[in-house]
Amino acid sequence: KQEVTQIPAALSVPEGENLVLNCSFTDSAIYNLQWFRQDPGKGLTSLLLIQSSQREQTSGRLNASLDKSSGRSTLYIAASQPGDSATYLCAVRGRTSGTYKYIFGTGTRLKVLA
Amino acid sequence: NAGVMQNPRHLVRRRGQEARLRCSPVKGHSHVYWYRQLPEEGLKFMVYLQKENIIDESGMPKERFSAEFPKEGPSILRIQQVVRGDSAAYFCASSPPDRDGETQYFGPGTRLLVL
Repeated sequence: KQEVTQIPAALSVPEGENLVLNCSFTDSAIYNLQWFRQDPGKGLTSLLLIQSSQREQTSGRLNASLDKSSGRSTLYIAASQPGDSATYLCAVRGRTSGTYKYIFGTGTRLKVLA
Repeated sequence: NAGVMQNPRHLVRRRGQEARLRCSPVKGHSHVYWYRQLPEEGLKFMVYLQKENIIDESGMPKERFSAEFPKEGPSILRIQQVVRGDSAAYFCASSPPDRDGETQYFGPGTRLLVL
């Protein structure tokens, strides 16, 4: 059974810092892994999608890596800004579950201080 | 191109009433997924539907919850006799006929509050 864990659960950093959010999953048979951003009371914003055959994806100040063999992904945020404050969710879409649902982690709540 | 649309965005019900949540997938998408986010928790899969078929309902509570995706019209998640514990955000996602690696596109969610 696929389980997704995100560490840390919460993070508070001063503006300008580079930071790393971690995601681990127990079953390496995945179709893809996706990072989302969720603002309080809002929906999900897709940040980066990494296919199982890829090692990383980049968008602006964001870079996500995937190591399937070790069951890990990291989201790197460069030069953090107060506007980056949100909850970041990692989700994997598995091959072995028999369907195509996403399994979500519980998220990392990020606060960037001005 | 319109994304996934959900309505209503906010829904208030009293205990014992029925809640109907609607999801219109991206045009051309024939697969719909429903997820629930309880307060302070992550999103949990509920049900996966294709047109007129329920493919996987392993995440649906055994009682009071049902879902459909008719040939015409939106997908409906129906909760009968709501209780306070049903208060949550319900998200719908859609995808085209499945290909390896295809992602799901998420709607803005419906926030249900049961008084």
